[in-house]
Amino acid sequence: GAGVSQSPRYKVAKRGQDVALRCDPISGHVSLFWYQQALGQGPEFLTYFQNEAQLDKSGLPSDRFFAERPEGSVSTLKIQRTQQEDSAVYLCASSLEVAGASYEQYFGPGTRLTVT
Amino acid sequence: KNEVEQSPQNLTAQEGEFITINCSYSVGISALHWLQQHPGGGIVSLFMLSSGKKKHGRLIATINIQEKHSSLHITASHPRDSAVYICAVRRPGTYKYIFGTGTRLKVLA
Repeated sequence: GAGVSQSPRYKVAKRGQDVALRCDPISGHVSLFWYQQALGQGPEFLTYFQNEAQLDKSGLPSDRFFAERPEGSVSTLKIQRTQQEDSAVYLCASSLEVAGASYEQYFGPGTRLTVT
Repeated sequence: KNEVEQSPQNLTAQEGEFITINCSYSVGISALHWLQQHPGGGIVSLFMLSSGKKKHGRLIATINIQEKHSSLHITASHPRDSAVYICAVRRPGTYKYIFGTGTRLKVLA
């Protein structure tokens, strides 16, 4: 595909359920970012991958959040034992960025997670 | 105090007006991005700046590193420009981006 895709686009989970959110970055993009966007707020950084290496996970809000990118392409963000405060849009972005240089980020459409 | 502040938070303009959205930051940065987010839609990167000025169509972005300030200008605004505009900065030596809370722009026909 031409852009970053995410699935599912919408997810409703009961409190306590585990969820897995998928991101397919643009082919060949080295860098992949996950962000969390609460309603009416700007995105907040969660974690960063360079190829398969998770180089920064400082934004993950708790140990219930886990992200992986095992082959350096598709990434999955997993949230265990979901809580209501996890309700947000989860955005994925990819870029050609390497070695600390800044490149344009391409964002996916996001997954809207609602925890009931 | 947020590390990235945007003003105004909300802006309503008439079609054709010149629009300025401001972004101030309190940390050292290696790059600043301006992003556009339509209601219910994804985020599109408009500009990436580390110095000076960039222009794309009716959009102009400037940055003053010494004053830790950037502006996004829209000339001859149009209703299709209605969106949330977000400023994001990257700290040197990190991969983390810090986002402003956005400026919600509505352009009336």
